Amino acid sequence: EVQLVESGGGLVKPGGSLRLSCAAPGFTFSSYTMNWVRQSPGKGLEWVSSISGSSKYIHFVDSVKGRFTISRDNAKNSLYLEMNSLRAEDTAVYYCARSDSSGSLFFDFWGQGTLVTVSS
Amino acid sequence: DIVMTQSPDSLAVSLGERATINCNSSRSVLYDSNNKNYLAWYQQKPGQPPKLLIYWASTRESGVPDRFSGSGSGTDFTLTISSLQAEDVAVYFCQQCFSTPPTFGGGTKVEIK
Repeated sequence: EVQLVESGGGLVKPGGSLRLSCAAPGFTFSSYTMNWVRQSPGKGLEWVSSISGSSKYIHFVDSVKGRFTISRDNAKNSLYLEMNSLRAEDTAVYYCARSDSSGSLFFDFWGQGTLVTVSS
Repeated sequence: DIVMTQSPDSLAVSLGERATINCNSSRSVLYDSNNKNYLAWYQQKPGQPPKLLIYWASTRESGVPDRFSGSGSGTDFTLTISSLQAEDVAVYFCQQCFSTPPTFGGGTKVEIK
């Protein structure tokens, strides 16, 4: 059974850092592009970043370029999002989401999400 | 970036009646080489993550009831719930992945009248 379990969210001050993790048992993790998608009341759903199965292809939304880093450890079936220089507008629930097997950025499985709150 | 616009923002439909949600993209999401529309629909119930319902504009995800259908091509798309059930109360989102960044519509809240 596919499972995606996020962790690492919490309250952080503006300018601070946080590292999110996503454990992904139940499928051949290395075969899938993985993503982070966030959701905030003010901005709805927003794709943040994707990383291909081999980590060869990495993409970010413009608003987080230079501040966020995505990585994965296929041996540990885990996905990560390192977030630096956090801003109030980064406040959101962050979901780990799997791209479908075609390789396109449709998201066929989602975790339950982890809340990141950036506030002083 | 491709902007996705959904309408209406919310709608109330009687049980057993049809619900129709529209989604417009600011540019075509039809890829000519494979004739596929890079458009998906998701359902999100309170306290839950989104769930993929339809991809390639009209292909139902495994396990999705056949009362859900998607149609459209290019820039204009529709999600139809043919006979609304109580468990269909949710917010529905469209999403394009024709170009990076993939972008979502603002959502349509479906309620029971």
